[in-house]
Amino acid sequence: GAGVSQSPRYKVAKRGQDVALRCDPISGHVSLFWYQQALGQGPEFLTYFQNEAQLDKSGLPSDRFFAERPEGSVSTLKIQRTQQEDSAVYLCASSSGSNTEAFFGQGTRLTVV
Amino acid sequence: QQQVKQSPQSLIVQKGGISIINCAYENTAFDYFPWYQQFPGKGPALLIAIRPDVSEKKEGRFTISFNKSAKQFSLHIMDSQPGDSATYFCAASMTYTGNQFYFGTGTSLTVIP
Repeated sequence: GAGVSQSPRYKVAKRGQDVALRCDPISGHVSLFWYQQALGQGPEFLTYFQNEAQLDKSGLPSDRFFAERPEGSVSTLKIQRTQQEDSAVYLCASSSGSNTEAFFGQGTRLTVV
Repeated sequence: QQQVKQSPQSLIVQKGGISIINCAYENTAFDYFPWYQQFPGKGPALLIAIRPDVSEKKEGRFTISFNKSAKQFSLHIMDSQPGDSATYFCAASMTYTGNQFYFGTGTSLTVIP
């Protein structure tokens, strides 16, 4: 596709449930980022991949959060044992290289009830 | 700790007026400063970006002013239109982190017809 695609757009999870969020970056983009955006706030960095290598995961809030990009294209953000504080929009972005324009997907709105 | 501080939190401007949003940063290693526009339910979209080797960049009605010594940069929207009503985020990144963005907290702009 022409842009970054994320699925699902909306996810409601019961507290304690595991969820998986998918990101399809722009074809050929080597850099992929995950951000968490709480209501009324700016996006906050979670993790960064260059191709299949996860180069920075310093923003992941706990060991319940896990991200992978096994073939250097599609990425999955997994949250285990979801908690109410995990409710947010999860944004994926991709770029062709360092310090170049990053293109964001529409995000997945996760609501934990 | 907020790496990029943004103000105001909200802004109301008459159609045809000038909208001004300000940001400040501390880390002198930042070398890329983009502004993102976000509509409800959408991901952030790049509006305009600047690097610290220039003091101003203009694209259509949008201008970034950059003051390296003061570690401040601002977005000016000339001839503001109702369609500009959105949330604006400033951001900063440094090359060696692979383009992880540090976002401001956002400014909700409303342009009144």
